Amino acid sequence: NAGVTQTPKFQVLKTGQSMTLQCAQDMNHEYMSWYRQDPGMGLRLIHYSVGAGITDQGEVPNGYNVSRSTTEDFPLRLLSAAPSQTSVYFCASRSRRTVNTEAFFGQGTRLTVV
Amino acid sequence: LAKTTQPISMDSYEGQEVNITCSHNNIATNDYITWYQQFPSQGPRFIIQGYKTKVTNEVASLFIPADRKSSTLSLPRVSLSDTAVYYCLVGDSRGDSSYKLIFGSGTRLLVRP
Repeated sequence: NAGVTQTPKFQVLKTGQSMTLQCAQDMNHEYMSWYRQDPGMGLRLIHYSVGAGITDQGEVPNGYNVSRSTTEDFPLRLLSAAPSQTSVYFCASRSRRTVNTEAFFGQGTRLTVV
Repeated sequence: LAKTTQPISMDSYEGQEVNITCSHNNIATNDYITWYQQFPSQGPRFIIQGYKTKVTNEVASLFIPADRKSSTLSLPRVSLSDTAVYYCLVGDSRGDSSYKLIFGSGTRLLVRP
């Protein structure tokens, strides 16, 4: 049981490049989310999903796309990277079958756009 | 989703009890109060959740007064390893908004030797 796995851990992109951040969970959780965290700041919600085939925008969705074809995977795509997207990205998952709001987070992807 | 307000930072010393208060004046009837802890370079980790009165686990205690407009996370006898950012979240764990966990800026706790 690996929990939430994010790849890669580190990435450097040039402005304008595209890439996909991977997130996978093996807990059969319905809810998955992507957050970004800028230095010294709190987490901001980018996109979230309540189940396979269902996604919606969070607080800061511009410049990012998501899809959820399976329960396990929730990739985040940067269409055309910009320096403002330099940040640490966290993926999280949570079960809808529990009363508490315990979410499980991955170890993060540190992205630098130059 | 109810807005929360917490101190930006707090300092403490090893062995002391630390209490972090969170204000949530517009908390709704079905909302729960949840606290997360985040160490540097790691994702947040769930600490504790409560609805009213007091909840205690092996890590912390959560005190919620009768009006539920605030809550206090209590960390007993902190150590250097408790240095982290602590986030207070308020939301209905069973409602449609439960999947959108919105994090504020949190409280940065520094524990000194």
